[in-house]
Amino acid sequence: NAGVTQTPKFQVLKTGQSMTLQCAQDMNHEYMSWYRQDPGMGLRLIHYSVGAGITDQGEVPNGYNVSRSTTEDFPLRLLSAAPSQTSVYFCASSPGQAVLPGANVLTFGAGSRLTVL
Amino acid sequence: QKEVEQDPGPLSVPEGAIVSLNCTYSNSAFQYFMWYRQYSRKGPELLMYTYSSGNKEDGRFTAQVDKSSKYISLFIRDSQPSDSATYLCAMRRDSWGKLQFGAGTQVVVTP
Repeated sequence: NAGVTQTPKFQVLKTGQSMTLQCAQDMNHEYMSWYRQDPGMGLRLIHYSVGAGITDQGEVPNGYNVSRSTTEDFPLRLLSAAPSQTSVYFCASSPGQAVLPGANVLTFGAGSRLTVL
Repeated sequence: QKEVEQDPGPLSVPEGAIVSLNCTYSNSAFQYFMWYRQYSRKGPELLMYTYSSGNKEDGRFTAQVDKSSKYISLFIRDSQPSDSATYLCAMRRDSWGKLQFGAGTQVVVTP
């Protein structure tokens, strides 16, 4: 299994440009999420989805949009890139809510490094 | 004040030593506690998972949770250079809640 696949791995944007970070998982996970990782800040939740057609905001949603039209895909859109959005972005997924205690474990992608000039 | 505090390190130890990592937290509602390991330029991967208080052992790794002190620990015995990574603690209130991560501690194990 490929697990969680993120593309692109690296991207450089100019201020004001828009782009989409792609995320796909092949584990039939209901829950998908996007995090950003900055030095000294840890992982911060941007947006998440508990199933196709359902999305919600996380801790730092401003400047980002998401949609979930299929179980497999969860793209993250930057509407008008700003230097403050320079970061490493991680997509993560987990199985839906279940009685098994391990069911809520996140599987992360390899990350997408974004630089906004 | 952050909900989860973690010393960023770096923590440098010689091969074979015990690595001791910890996190403190402020939200007493947290019940699920995890440790993730992240190698350079890779995504985090789950290392240990604990529900509520107590200890859990898996090979060279031991996770401890002290809910009365709001303090969790990870111990790595007989450390190896391959253990060099950043270790992130994470926790949540319920099985479906959002994870709150610590900032991560960088560990360097020298041969």
